[in-house]
Amino acid sequence: DAGVIQSPRHEVTEMGQEVTLRCKPISGHNSLFWYRQTMMRGLELLIYFNNNVPIDDSGMPEDRFSAKMPNASFSTLKIQPSEPRDSAVYFCASIPPGTSSNEQFFGPGTRLTVL
Amino acid sequence: QKEVEQNSGPLSVPEGAIASLNCTYSDRGSQSFFWYRQYSGKSPELIMSIYSNGDKEDGRFTAQLNKASQYVSLLIRDSQPSDSATYLCAVRVRGSARQLTFGSGTQLTVLP
Repeated sequence: DAGVIQSPRHEVTEMGQEVTLRCKPISGHNSLFWYRQTMMRGLELLIYFNNNVPIDDSGMPEDRFSAKMPNASFSTLKIQPSEPRDSAVYFCASIPPGTSSNEQFFGPGTRLTVL
Repeated sequence: QKEVEQNSGPLSVPEGAIASLNCTYSDRGSQSFFWYRQYSGKSPELIMSIYSNGDKEDGRFTAQLNKASQYVSLLIRDSQPSDSATYLCAVRVRGSARQLTFGSGTQLTVLP
């Protein structure tokens, strides 16, 4: 089975440009998480969806960040306008349904560089 | 105070030694604890989970939990160079069935 799929794997853009990151969770998983990882701040949760509904977006840094999950197999994280401080690795992770499910399955990440 | 704290390291141990990784958490009501391993340039992967006080062993890995002291640790016996990675401690957010708060990670290097 395919794991969590993220695209692009690498993105280099200039300050002020719009950036869209994409995630396809593992089929059958119903919870999806977007994380950002930097050396300074570690792995931070940005937003969490359950059954396509945003449950907690308190980690979204500011209005420049938005996330959507139009269906169970696709989610996007958009940054508009991007800034150099947004440079980080962005991970998407998913979990299957059921309270016994503990493991978050991470995608390979998108390395974003904003010049 | 950070919710989940780890020594960032780096921690270096010789091959064959025991590596000890430590983590403290601030929410006394936390019930579920996890260790993830992240190789350089890769994504985190779950290696251990622990829910009850005491030790839980899985192969060369032992997780230890002390809820009274709000302390969780990971021991790696017979450390191998392939164990060189960053180890992330994660705690389930109280009241959430799914959300985790991660520590900043401890970088471990096992020297041949």
